[in-house]
Amino acid sequence: DAGVTQSPTHLIKTRGQQVTLRCSPISGHKSVSWYQQVLGQGPQFIFQYYEKEERGRGNFPDRFSARQFPNYSSELNVNALLLGDSALYLCASNLDRGHRTGNTIYFGEGSWLTVV
Amino acid sequence: AQSVTQLDSHVSVSEGTPVLLRCNYSSSYSPSLFWYVQHPNKGLQLLLKYTSAATLVKGINGFEAEFKKSETSFHLTKPSAHMSDAAEYFCVQGGDSNYQLIWGAGTKLIIKP
Repeated sequence: DAGVTQSPTHLIKTRGQQVTLRCSPISGHKSVSWYQQVLGQGPQFIFQYYEKEERGRGNFPDRFSARQFPNYSSELNVNALLLGDSALYLCASNLDRGHRTGNTIYFGEGSWLTVV
Repeated sequence: AQSVTQLDSHVSVSEGTPVLLRCNYSSSYSPSLFWYVQHPNKGLQLLLKYTSAATLVKGINGFEAEFKKSETSFHLTKPSAHMSDAAEYFCVQGGDSNYQLIWGAGTKLIIKP
């Protein structure tokens, strides 16, 4: 079975541009979460979507937005890019809403975004 | 605010010797705790998870962790390090919100030949 797939794997953007990152969860998984991992730090939670609705949002500015499609894939959009947005963006896939059920949360390999 | 503290940013051990990666979590009635590993240019892989069952949790690749409520600790151990264990390890706690995971800053494990 395919794992969590993310695209693109690497991209370079200039300040002020907009970027869209994509994620396909594991088949049957209804929850997708997005994390930002800056070099040398642990991942920071951005969004969670479950059944196509936003269920949680981290402490990120409104320049960050996301959506989930009927097939449960997801997109993360970042507008007006800043140098500080340079990071690895990780997508996580879960069978249901969260960690309390004990289901394993699976991660993709991430999208490396460099803003110059 | 909840936080997870990994007490060592880097741990260096010789191949074949024991590994200990230390983690303290925020006190919680019934925490969910995880250890993830991240190899260079790879995604995060779950090593093991604690969800209120046995306090000694066995994971993949010979790793295990012990939940100690009195110490709010969840240290990761392995009896004998292998070169392939060289990676970044993250201790993670489930937040009060079901959707949120709280991550430690990570410990880089270096294996000396």
